Amino acid sequence: QKEVEQNSGPLSVPEGAIASLNCTYSDRVSQSFFWYRQYSGKSPELIMSIYSNGDKEDGRFTAQLNKASQYVSLLIRDSQPSDSATYLCAVNKGGRDDKIIFGKGTRLHILP
Amino acid sequence: NAGVTQTPKFRILKIGQSMTLQCTQDMNHNYMYWYRQDPGMGLKLIYYSVGAGITDKGEVPNGYNVSRSTTEDFPLRLELAAPSQTSVYFCASSYQGPTNTDTQYFGPGTRLTVL
Repeated sequence: QKEVEQNSGPLSVPEGAIASLNCTYSDRVSQSFFWYRQYSGKSPELIMSIYSNGDKEDGRFTAQLNKASQYVSLLIRDSQPSDSATYLCAVNKGGRDDKIIFGKGTRLHILP
Repeated sequence: NAGVTQTPKFRILKIGQSMTLQCTQDMNHNYMYWYRQDPGMGLKLIYYSVGAGITDKGEVPNGYNVSRSTTEDFPLRLELAAPSQTSVYFCASSYQGPTNTDTQYFGPGTRLTVL
């Protein structure tokens, strides 16, 4: 099992709808979780970070973490064409193995 | 505050040539990272450093070397370039501290082609 798994997509969502991006991770001791957005030809930029179970909201973005199910998701409300990008899930185990592992990313396409 | 800067932006190498990709950050971050990203793929960690003088291997270190003599700089060295090293290389930095805030900030990337 890969350490961080995401559906590669593309995920097509109509403009104004909710886009739901999902990520699972294999190491139960993982402590920090991140969502990055990457436009084509650009570097990744942080959208959200989450460290404890539950929901964390920031504007149109909501990150959800369920450590028991080893699952983290990102919801984008009122999707805009500018949200079309690849979304990378990243996980940091912390402790002695303190490095961040990225998933392959999900391509999101917002349909005008 | 320039953040994370990388040079060069683009480079074409011949097989067997060597080069150094430069990375500098001005945020006083203790952690620095090198990733490669192949087309349509995620980021793979090559090497990382938790502070000056300390480096460690990531997922795909073969064919690369790094050094960290200062907090600001983390160069990546390719000794004998191979076509399999054609990729986009991203440098990143983060601050790890008592609060464990570890957001990574990325440089703009270096697009390397080995022919």
